[in-house]
Amino acid sequence: EPEVTQTPSHQVTQMGQEVILRCVPISNHLYFYWYRQILGQKVEFLVSFYNNEISEKSEIFDDQFSVERPDGSNFTLKIRSTKLEDSAMYFCASKRGPHTLSYNSPLHFGNGTRLTVT
Amino acid sequence: KNEVEQSPQNLTAQEGEFITINCSYSVGISALHWLQQHPGGGIVSLFMLSSGKKKHGRLIATINIQEKHSSLHITASHPRDSAVYICAVSPLGNEKLTFGTGTRLTIIP
Repeated sequence: EPEVTQTPSHQVTQMGQEVILRCVPISNHLYFYWYRQILGQKVEFLVSFYNNEISEKSEIFDDQFSVERPDGSNFTLKIRSTKLEDSAMYFCASKRGPHTLSYNSPLHFGNGTRLTVT
Repeated sequence: KNEVEQSPQNLTAQEGEFITINCSYSVGISALHWLQQHPGGGIVSLFMLSSGKKKHGRLIATINIQEKHSSLHITASHPRDSAVYICAVSPLGNEKLTFGTGTRLTIIP
């Protein structure tokens, strides 16, 4: 069964450094998402991406964050200057269709990238 | 603001028991998701539903749109069912999935 893959599985970086988290969504999917989960807390929505542009973003997704789909297969999340509070598990997800009543399209998650900022 | 509440927060049961996890939400939604998070952190989508009931193996999910409530049931529970079960909802008109805090389920052999 096709799956969403994320690399690396664990990234350690120093405060102030830029990090890029990579995701390869399922190939025929059109909707892409990033979520994060701070240790011990609930999963939080960061951003949704469709048709090569951001469709929704949360308050967390400030100017330090950006997403890109550079080559039609990868979907990346960049954090420009990491802070200690960016330490979390970051999940990429994809789905074929939108969240509408008429379209039953389940969400597929990657295994996550654990980001540790020191 | 959309709130998603799950109960119980923690549940320990003996192998074979029937398990029910509840989820309530506060706004109109286009879909509700039940997710399973394993101890290693990975998340698996179990169900996506917008009405009625769905069944997959020993798992059953129901939703009552009028009451803004969903339940996840596990029949004949097994230690491998031990995980955190998360309810998440897609509000009408946007893609911002809102997650519950999860229910940590432990099944004892």
